[in-house]
Amino acid sequence: AQSVTQLGSHVSVSEGALVLLRCNYSSSVPPYLFWYVQYPNQGLQLLLKYTSAATLVKGINGFEAEFKKSETSFHLTKPSAHMSDAAEYFCAVRSGSARQLTFGSGTQLTVLP
Amino acid sequence: EAGVAQSPRYKIIEKRQSVAFWCNPISGHATLYWYQQILGQGPKLLIQFQNNGVVDDSQLPKDRFSAERLKGVDSTLKIQPAKLEDSAVYLCASSPGPAAITDTQYFGPGTRLTVL
Repeated sequence: AQSVTQLGSHVSVSEGALVLLRCNYSSSVPPYLFWYVQYPNQGLQLLLKYTSAATLVKGINGFEAEFKKSETSFHLTKPSAHMSDAAEYFCAVRSGSARQLTFGSGTQLTVLP
Repeated sequence: EAGVAQSPRYKIIEKRQSVAFWCNPISGHATLYWYQQILGQGPKLLIQFQNNGVVDDSQLPKDRFSAERLKGVDSTLKIQPAKLEDSAVYLCASSPGPAAITDTQYFGPGTRLTVL
């Protein structure tokens, strides 16, 4: 079985501050991990994905995430928040023979001026 | 490249009525997914097609939900009869290959269904 837990349903940061969105996964086999972003009234857009090639994954819009097996984590970071980063962010896992992409419940990011 | 198209964008119906959603995936994409996203939750997979065959429909409430993918391209998702708890955003996604585990899924804008 696979699952994802996103700690913090709402995160607020000031513009220019570090963004850290937390994701922990559960999987009995090596996982593949994804971060998606959803802007209001739009579908989900892939930010980045971990496919076992490198533990530090760089994505679009300056985001990156690090896969830490010992901590079963895949936290999303960005050094300096921009107003346009305000959106909902979803972590997702796919592992083994599972055909399903299992999503976390999401984290709403607010960027304060 | 055109993205995943969905219609309608919004739909309001009364309980026990029926409703249908339409999805046109990215051209050439073999795999198509329908997700249900209830407010405050992440998307949950309802059904997955590869070409015009069903790969996974284990979470589809088959007593009221049905889906088809004609000729391996467009797809429709139907709810009959609708219940209050069906209020959600219905997302369609597609991916290029035969559902490889690392495939990126491309999402449409969704259809927001409100059941009164």
